[in-house]
Amino acid sequence: EVQLVESGGGLVQPGRSLRLSCTPSGFTFADYSLSWVRQAPGKGLEWVGFIRNKPYGGATEYAASVKGRFIISRDDSKSIAYLQMDSLKTEDTAVYYCTRMTELNYNYYMDVWGKGTTVTVS
Amino acid sequence: SYDLTHPPSVSVSPGQTASITCSGDNLGDKFVSWFQQKPGQSPLLVIYQDLKRPSGIPERFSGSNSGNTATLTISETQALDEADYYCQAWDSSTAVFGGGTKLTVL
Repeated sequence: EVQLVESGGGLVQPGRSLRLSCTPSGFTFADYSLSWVRQAPGKGLEWVGFIRNKPYGGATEYAASVKGRFIISRDDSKSIAYLQMDSLKTEDTAVYYCTRMTELNYNYYMDVWGKGTTVTVS
Repeated sequence: SYDLTHPPSVSVSPGQTASITCSGDNLGDKFVSWFQQKPGQSPLLVIYQDLKRPSGIPERFSGSNSGNTATLTISETQALDEADYYCQAWDSSTAVFGGGTKLTVL
């Protein structure tokens, strides 16, 4: 079964750091780009950023709200992706989802989502 | 920044057709995905590249995109379709989500 599992969430004080992990199963991790998407309590979906796969140099892009504070990385040898979150703010409180990005005709779509991990900054 | 706009809510009677719109500048020039999210669950991709359905998504779900508006259409709506629906598009390597529409089946 194709799936993604996030871990590493928890309660953290403002200004501190936290690292989330995303582990896949059922597909070849190195072949895909990955996004992180978050959802604050009672709110909509907000894209956080993505990391491309190796053919695209593992390039990253970030939302303006997290740029300079969050870093996405991946270790294809271990089939794991990370979201390093520094200088956390109360507004970063959310469920964080890892999503697989499938490419078709030079366009990505997010076809597999994890169950999410909850980050509370307080 | 690029914005996508949804109506906050849509109501439909069982068996009828529900249409959920998503608006953005020249949205028709971009590919749109639609996600369904039920309470306590992760989002589920129901439409990608404007009108394609992933495996396992019923044919009742269809999409279109032209001009400034993309539309998700659910025909023969069932109670189990009640959920929040989000559109999403890419703008200059940035993913943008609409604010979501709550579909009520009553």
